[in-house]
Amino acid sequence: KAGVTQTPRYLIKTRGQQVTLSCSPISGHRSVSWYQQTPGQGLQFLFEYFSETQRNKGNFPGRFSGRQFSNSRSEMNVSTLELGDSALYLCASSLVGGLAAYNEQFFGPGTRLTVL
Amino acid sequence: QKEVEQNSGPLSVPEGAIASLNCTYSDRVSQSFFWYRQYSGKSPELIMSIYSNGDKEDGRFTAQLNKASQYVSLLIRDSQPSDSATYLCAVSRAGGYNKLIFGAGTRLAVHP
Repeated sequence: KAGVTQTPRYLIKTRGQQVTLSCSPISGHRSVSWYQQTPGQGLQFLFEYFSETQRNKGNFPGRFSGRQFSNSRSEMNVSTLELGDSALYLCASSLVGGLAAYNEQFFGPGTRLTVL
Repeated sequence: QKEVEQNSGPLSVPEGAIASLNCTYSDRVSQSFFWYRQYSGKSPELIMSIYSNGDKEDGRFTAQLNKASQYVSLLIRDSQPSDSATYLCAVSRAGGYNKLIFGAGTRLAVHP
């Protein structure tokens, strides 16, 4: 079974631009979560989608947004890029999308975003 | 106080020894606990999950959970140089909709 895929793997943008990252979950997984990883802040939760609905959002500005499609694929968008947005953006998929906190999450390879 | 705390290390152990990695968490309603391994330049890989008090073993890995003490640990038996990586502790709470809170990670170095 194929794992989580993310595209593109690397991206270089300049300040003020916007970027869209894509994530395809493991087949059959309906929940997709996004995380940002930086050396200074570590791994931080951005948001989670299930059945095309955002159910939870982390403490990030509104410049960070996302969506999920009917086939469970997800995209995240960052508008008006800042230097501090340079990070590894990770997508994780989970099989069960209920309230229970037992859902194991499996990460994709990530998208390395560099903002110049 | 951080929600999930780990010793950043590095934790250095000789090959064949037991590596013990520790994690404490502050939110008493945390319900699920996960250990991820992350090699340099790679994404996190899930190696253990634990939901109830006690021990859970999987091959050379044993996760231990003590909810009363708000403490979770990972033991790696017969450590190998290939185990050298950063180990991330993550917790989630009921109703958290898959939101994982991560510790900063402990860097483990296994030397021959």
